[in-house]
Amino acid sequence: DAGVIQSPRHEVTEMGQEVTLRCKPISGHDYLFWYRQTMMRGLELLIYFNNNVPIDDSGMPEDRFSAKMPNASFSTLKIQPSEPRDSAVYFCASRLRDRGITDTQYFGPGTRLTVL
Amino acid sequence: AQKITQTQPGMFVQEKEAVTLDCTYDTSDQSYGLFWYKQPSSGEMIFLIYQGSYDEQNATEGRYSLNFQKARKSANLVISASQLGDSAMYFCAMRENFGNEKLTFGTGTRLTIIP
Repeated sequence: DAGVIQSPRHEVTEMGQEVTLRCKPISGHDYLFWYRQTMMRGLELLIYFNNNVPIDDSGMPEDRFSAKMPNASFSTLKIQPSEPRDSAVYFCASRLRDRGITDTQYFGPGTRLTVL
Repeated sequence: AQKITQTQPGMFVQEKEAVTLDCTYDTSDQSYGLFWYKQPSSGEMIFLIYQGSYDEQNATEGRYSLNFQKARKSANLVISASQLGDSAMYFCAMRENFGNEKLTFGTGTRLTIIP
């Protein structure tokens, strides 16, 4: 089975530009999570969806960040306008709600974003 | 207060030796789950092992085992017979109250295996 797929793997952009990160969760998983990893703050949960509906976006840093999940197989995280402090690795993860080991979140390879 | 504490920022271990990575957690919930992830230099997050708070036996997965001491609120990862490929960052994480989907991560331990 394919794992979580993220694109692009690397993104370099200039301050003020719009950035869109993409994620395809594992087929059949009903939860999708967006994380950000920085040296200063570690791994932070930004937002998560259940059955395509945003459940908790309390980790989204500010209005410049938005996330959507138009269907069960695709999600986007958009930053507009981007700032240098947004430079980080952004991970998408998915999960199947169950009572066993499949409660685990499986992560994608991440997108390394650099905002100049 | 930190929910997940990993006190070892870095560790160096000789190849083939066993290694224990420490993790303590803080929660008042009765139902929670503990996870360990590995992040090699390539950057991906790889799930290693899971322990539920009601699991009576320590979780094991190949060379990985979780030393779960509920009263002490510790969930240490034990890697037996370490290999060079085990060199990576290791993160402990917790999900509190199974109705809550949020994973809280520790700051990680960088493990380096010495040949």
